[in-house]
Amino acid sequence: GQSLEQPSEVTAVEGAIVQINCTYQTSGFYGLSWYQQHDGGAPTFLSYNALDGLEETGRFSSFLSRSDSYGYLLLQELQMKDSASYFCAVRVMNRDDKIIFGKGTRLHILP
Amino acid sequence: GAVVSQHPSWVICKSGTSVKIECRSLDFQATTMFWYRQFPKQSLMLMATSNEGSKATYEQGVEKDKFLINHASLTLSTLTVTSAHPEDSSFYICSARGGGGSYEQYFGPGTRLTVT
Repeated sequence: GQSLEQPSEVTAVEGAIVQINCTYQTSGFYGLSWYQQHDGGAPTFLSYNALDGLEETGRFSSFLSRSDSYGYLLLQELQMKDSASYFCAVRVMNRDDKIIFGKGTRLHILP
Repeated sequence: GAVVSQHPSWVICKSGTSVKIECRSLDFQATTMFWYRQFPKQSLMLMATSNEGSKATYEQGVEKDKFLINHASLTLSTLTVTSAHPEDSSFYICSARGGGGSYEQYFGPGTRLTVT
């Protein structure tokens, strides 16, 4: 089976930087994705790492270490609109090529 | 960007009835579609994976006779919740992925099902 661990909640101040960690245990690991979900909305894709290292997309960066089964999402210059839930998700390729979500991290941003 | 739609966006049905939810990829051909269920303040739980023209693969613990999935074309998948019960009330979200080794899944806006 698969298991993903990420903090349930994180609080940060507007303008600051926050890092959300994710550790995983899975067979057939292919890559790590991050998704953002606002209340009542659908998840939106943020990033995908298949190889070790850092991927940067604007204010958001994502990191993966396959040897440590670990990744993180880094959000810089936090804005109030970044208040949302953030899910790490593993892409696994066993019988099917599919994505399994972690339990999500609720990010609270204080003014 | 790729767009996935779902219909209806919300539905209320009586216990014991069936309800069908449609998922469409509007501007790309989706070789694979996924159905997720999400309870309030919880994660997305993968229910099943469907490839166009073949039977869906259900995750462990998901009743395939209760949640009927059909992926008859490259742009349409349907989920039918049969004999719905109040505990089936949830947010159902589909996602779609194109072919060619694409890794990105595009999510629909979700369907909120309430069973009374």
